[in-house]
Amino acid sequence: AQKVTQAQTEISVVEKEDVTLDCVYETRDTTYYLFWYKQPPSGELVFLIRRNSFDEQNEISGRYSWNFQKSTSSFNFTITASQVVDSAVYFCALSEADVGANSKLTFGKGITLSVRP
Amino acid sequence: DGGITQSPKYLFRKEGQNVTLSCEQNLNHDAMYWYRQDPGQGLRLIYYSQIVNDFQKGDIAEGYSVSREKKESFPLTVTSAQKNPTAFYLCASSTETGTLYNEQFFGPGTRLTVL
Repeated sequence: AQKVTQAQTEISVVEKEDVTLDCVYETRDTTYYLFWYKQPPSGELVFLIRRNSFDEQNEISGRYSWNFQKSTSSFNFTITASQVVDSAVYFCALSEADVGANSKLTFGKGITLSVRP
Repeated sequence: DGGITQSPKYLFRKEGQNVTLSCEQNLNHDAMYWYRQDPGQGLRLIYYSQIVNDFQKGDIAEGYSVSREKKESFPLTVTSAQKNPTAFYLCASSTETGTLYNEQFFGPGTRLTVL
């Protein structure tokens, strides 16, 4: 069975600090996708990034960057120069094929990030 | 504007009553999902549907029921058999069905409280 572990539950930083959110996953499949979602206080999940298991290239998007390492089964997310608006719950998720080729997302428990001014 | 709507945003019910949560999407997505979110527990899949008139149980389907009579609608009924129904419920949809490329779009959620 697939599993996503976000060991950090709450992180608090001061504005402009860099912060890294960890994600470790378990799967027996060779083909899978990894995702990060952001859940602001309004409650709606916002898609941030998708990465497939064959693409280990790190990605940078503005202040956000992602480090995918298959050797350690990790897909970590870094926010550079954090801002108060980054305060939210961040979820890592794994998609792999279920029985019958239906794909499902398994979510980690989320990391609550608080950025203080 | 395309998106997913869930209503109501807050819902209160008395113990022993069934209640139906609405989820509508105008994204023309084939697949729709229902998740339950409890504090510190992440999202857990209740039911999902990849096509009209078909749906599958997720990880925590007991005490819930769904229907998928129309592509754009996927209502969730929380029955009296659900032992601990107070939670935040999220509906989602996606374009890719039967594949792993499964970016899901989420609605704003319904917070259900059982009194």
